[in-house]
Amino acid sequence: SQQGEEDPQALSIQEGENATMNCSYKTSINNLQWYRQNSGRGLVHLILIRSNEREKHSGRLRVTLDTSKKSSSLLITASRAADTASYFCATDPPGVGSYIPTFGRGTSLIVHP
Amino acid sequence: DAGVIQSPRHEVTEMGQEVTLRCKPISGHNSLFWYRQTMMRGLELLIYFNNNVPIDDSGMPEDRFSAKMPNASFSTLKIQPSEPRDSAVYFCASSLGGADYGYTFGSGTRLTVV
Repeated sequence: SQQGEEDPQALSIQEGENATMNCSYKTSINNLQWYRQNSGRGLVHLILIRSNEREKHSGRLRVTLDTSKKSSSLLITASRAADTASYFCATDPPGVGSYIPTFGRGTSLIVHP
Repeated sequence: DAGVIQSPRHEVTEMGQEVTLRCKPISGHNSLFWYRQTMMRGLELLIYFNNNVPIDDSGMPEDRFSAKMPNASFSTLKIQPSEPRDSAVYFCASSLGGADYGYTFGSGTRLTVV
């Protein structure tokens, strides 16, 4: 298994601004997933992008994937105070027959009202 | 569906005591994962079950940790004896399995060993 690494570690913005966080990984993947974790809660699945996809949208979320650079970005547009949370990426490696996501340390996002 | 259900939400125990954490995955999900989260180490995968069978337990820290999945709707993670360094939030997650599905996490059990 491999671990995604999120960047930056922390991000502080004002409500209404866009938030961009990045994820880098080391080896080939089947897919990459983004999760959100509110304080004291479990992780919530946000979006999954397959290795043959380059961009995906879900509401105010936009995810891009660049397999040549082994990186992904998560953009949250028009941020809200409720978006305050930690955001994690997870990768699934290909070809082993079982799918075990491993997580990075996350990006802590604070959105000020 | 009520989602992945973990119990208890909080557990405080004395060093040396046995601790049992419980998880009920989403009905129909055939993969179940136990994770541990700490500030120092982030999210660590402890063990992974597929169709109730342990597939990868290489993340289990030592013999004091054991996990079982006697049926598709229940799993336990046991620590015996517990130590202060086991203090963490323990998450259970389940999935339909395969590369196209995300994972649903429970709310976690916050374990404090004093």
